[in-house]
Amino acid sequence: QQPVQSPQAVILREGEDAVINCSSSKALYSVHWYRQKHGEAPVFLMILLKGGEQKGHEKISASFNEKKQQSSLYLTASQLSYSGTYFCGTEGRSNTGKLIFGQGTTLQVKP
Amino acid sequence: SQTIHQWPATLVQPVGSPLSLECTVEGTSNPNLYWYRQAAGRGLQLLFYSVGIGQISSEVPQNLSASRPQDRQFILSSKKLLLSDSGFYLCAWSPGLSTDTQYFGPGTRLTVL
Repeated sequence: QQPVQSPQAVILREGEDAVINCSSSKALYSVHWYRQKHGEAPVFLMILLKGGEQKGHEKISASFNEKKQQSSLYLTASQLSYSGTYFCGTEGRSNTGKLIFGQGTTLQVKP
Repeated sequence: SQTIHQWPATLVQPVGSPLSLECTVEGTSNPNLYWYRQAAGRGLQLLFYSVGIGQISSEVPQNLSASRPQDRQFILSSKKLLLSDSGFYLCAWSPGLSTDTQYFGPGTRLTVL
């Protein structure tokens, strides 16, 4: 089942912080975060794995609460380049490689 | 380094016409390959994925099909396009492990009229 992202959209000024949430109704093995600019392909940001391991971007952090089946992406001191649509992709079982993506959160950073 | 190619970049097709979209990956071997569709303003819908030559898993019943004739080639096809097939089609690859990053190609924007 598709994970639910919140908020659907957010507008920030440069330097402000934002949190994007991803919630699943099923147990999760991993959560993947991507950012997509308009008309372009999604770009990888971060993977969070069951057990606490993280792999990803230096300036973006995230958390993964396995019990609550939730992940949050933290964007601090936002820059104009952070604008885009953020997607979480969830994997329900290990070793399948199949991701189910949320509907996306649109972030707009203004000067 | 690895690169992923998709073509064509844009395509306008009439309803009922056939479709063939191609995706190739360079610089790696035995990748997992994926086809996604993204409707305007929507999320990514997984259509097919493949873990090896000739091995295709379908995620969504539809009038589309996929084939993997070579290790690094993935093809999305349709015999007769529907209006609802319009969208942004993205191919992606991963090294093969479930915890690996999926790398997306540039996409094909398909408009069915």
